[in-house]
Amino acid sequence: DIQMTQSPSTLSASVGDRVTITCRASQSISTWLAWYQQKPGKTPKFLIYKASSLESGVPSRFSGSGSGTEFTLTISSLQPDDFATYYCQQYNSYPWTFGQGTKVEIK
Amino acid sequence: QVELQESGPGLVKPSETLSLTCTVSGGSISSDSYYWVWIRQPPGKGLEWIGTIYYNGDTYYKPSLKSRVTISVDTSKNQFSLKVTSVTAADTAVYYCSRRGSDTDYWGQGTLVAVSS
Repeated sequence: DIQMTQSPSTLSASVGDRVTITCRASQSISTWLAWYQQKPGKTPKFLIYKASSLESGVPSRFSGSGSGTEFTLTISSLQPDDFATYYCQQYNSYPWTFGQGTKVEIK
Repeated sequence: QVELQESGPGLVKPSETLSLTCTVSGGSISSDSYYWVWIRQPPGKGLEWIGTIYYNGDTYYKPSLKSRVTISVDTSKNQFSLKVTSVTAADTAVYYCSRRGSDTDYWGQGTLVAVSS
């Protein structure tokens, strides 16, 4: 199985901050990576696919980059609505696997 | 607009079988453009992929669950289903169904299944 490791596990930031979350794969997954945002009690929201493609309707302050084994999700200017938990997921090969999540908290 | 809705018992006894159905509206489950996926999330924990079924019936399961899990499609009802046998408390989770395309991903609202006697 491909292991996905996110860092940090928790991130404290303020509105307006630039935030970066890293996701590392235990082996190359090319760009077959998705990012999700989840708020408490809500369904995960699809943000980014193929590592860097923004889902329709997702604000442009979100961006993704990377290929192979290292990926990043960046929020250019953190907004109040962005405080949530973020997950990466590889879909290069089965079994699909998620990272453990990164919680973005208010500083 | 595609919509997915999970349905099934919210409480299952240990050692019994958990059965959930995902009803798809706004699109055909027979389309070759999508994968149909089950994911779960234990309370307070992260997301766990359970398995995926393709329109032609090809299925892929998480290895640690493979001996207990079956995913199937009913094209006549535009539904796909999940069965997990011999459940324990560790199977307590919110279960989500989803449709994954090349550039889209729609999820149901999720249904909480508790395993308890």
